[in-house]
This record gives sequence, structure tokens and C-alpha cells, in this order.
Amino acid sequence: GAVVSQHPSWVICKSGTSVKIECRSLDFQATTMFWYRQFPKQSLMLMATSNEGSKATYEQGVEKDKFLINHASLTLSTLTVTSAHPEDSSFYICSTAQETQYFGPGTRLLVL
Amino acid sequence: SQQGEEDPQALSIQEGENATMNCSYKTSINNLQWYRQNSGRGLVHLILIRSNEREKHSGRLRVTLDTSKKSSSLLITASRAADTASYFCALPTGGGNKLTFGTGTQLKVEL
Repeated sequence: GAVVSQHPSWVICKSGTSVKIECRSLDFQATTMFWYRQFPKQSLMLMATSNEGSKATYEQGVEKDKFLINHASLTLSTLTVTSAHPEDSSFYICSTAQETQYFGPGTRLLVL
Repeated sequence: SQQGEEDPQALSIQEGENATMNCSYKTSINNLQWYRQNSGRGLVHLILIRSNEREKHSGRLRVTLDTSKKSSSLLITASRAADTASYFCALPTGGGNKLTFGTGTQLKVEL
């Protein structure tokens, strides 16, 4: 299966700052990737579909201006949490968008 | 979109015992997948079972699918401490390989 990495694995930031999370497909050319968010003890919630060379498509209720997604190459998708607030603290995970999804290890964000 | 409801929410067993977790859903599906998530990590795909299949095996894992009852089960035989994780069923939704993940079962296997 595909190998997906994420960076950073965890990040702590102050409220109001922006945080960028990188998702790399190491051995697979990913034209599409998914971004999920997971709160403690809960399931994964799909936030958006990242499309290489075009705009991301966001799920209902996800603020596109707050969660900026860029998919500039076939191996890199980035999620930027803009003006982060404590309620954005969560576990963010990306995956490939094949029928069987391969996930990155996740990024834990803590906003103080 | 539909979300699978998993049962039980949490399960604690002794090493060597079998673990069974169930996933129920509401609308027709083409396939159902099971994933495992170790604490603080990404998910790992376990098995995909299609709607025309009733049972599928992979090592110590056995998955069943009953489309008439709209339910699936995941059986882990001869469990090991390393099987301790959360297990999620996942249902296709919205096209484009999107999945909706179930509520999850937290399995703890004790020595």
C-alpha cells in the first residue's frame, strides 16, 4: 500500500496564529487526498478533499477560509489552520483517496 | 451520509480470547471496510468486504457481512496484547472513494 507521512507530528501554538500541516505521499502519485479531523474518543470526520492543481472541496460545515488546503504537487498536500483557536485543537489526519485509504500518522494540534 | 454504529463501544478481554465487534448501518452499500487505529496514530486498513461477499478472512481476522440485516462483524481470534486499538467500520458515501467512519470499538487485550 501507499506510504503517507505527515509533518509535524504534533504542534503547540498560541491562539490567533496559523499552523501548516504537511501531508506527503512517499511512493504514490496522489491527485486526490482526504483530510480528516478527530476529537478525543471520537470517530474521524472528513473535512475536505484535496485536489492536485485545483481547489479543494469542503464538507458541509467546514469553513474553507479557516482551513486552507493546497495541493500543489502529486506528492504534497498542505492544510493550514488559520487564526487557530483552542476549539481547533484536534488530531488531523490525511489519507490517500483510493478505494482502500492509506493514512498518514496524524498531527496533534494544541492551541493555547 | 450514513455512519456505522458500532457495538460494543468498548471491549476488554484476556490475551488468547476472541474479540467480536459489530457494525450496523442504514442504507445499501457496495462494500464495507474495517480499519484499526492504535492510540494517537493514523488508521490502518484491515479488510474490505463487498456486498456480494458474506465472509472474508485475513490471518486472525474474520469479517462477515449480512446485507439483509445491514450489519457486519469483525472477529479477531486468539487476541494478543498488540491487538489493543480502536476498530472502525467504514462505509462508502458521497462518491469519489469517500468514507464515513463508524463510531468505533475500543478493544483492550490484557495479558
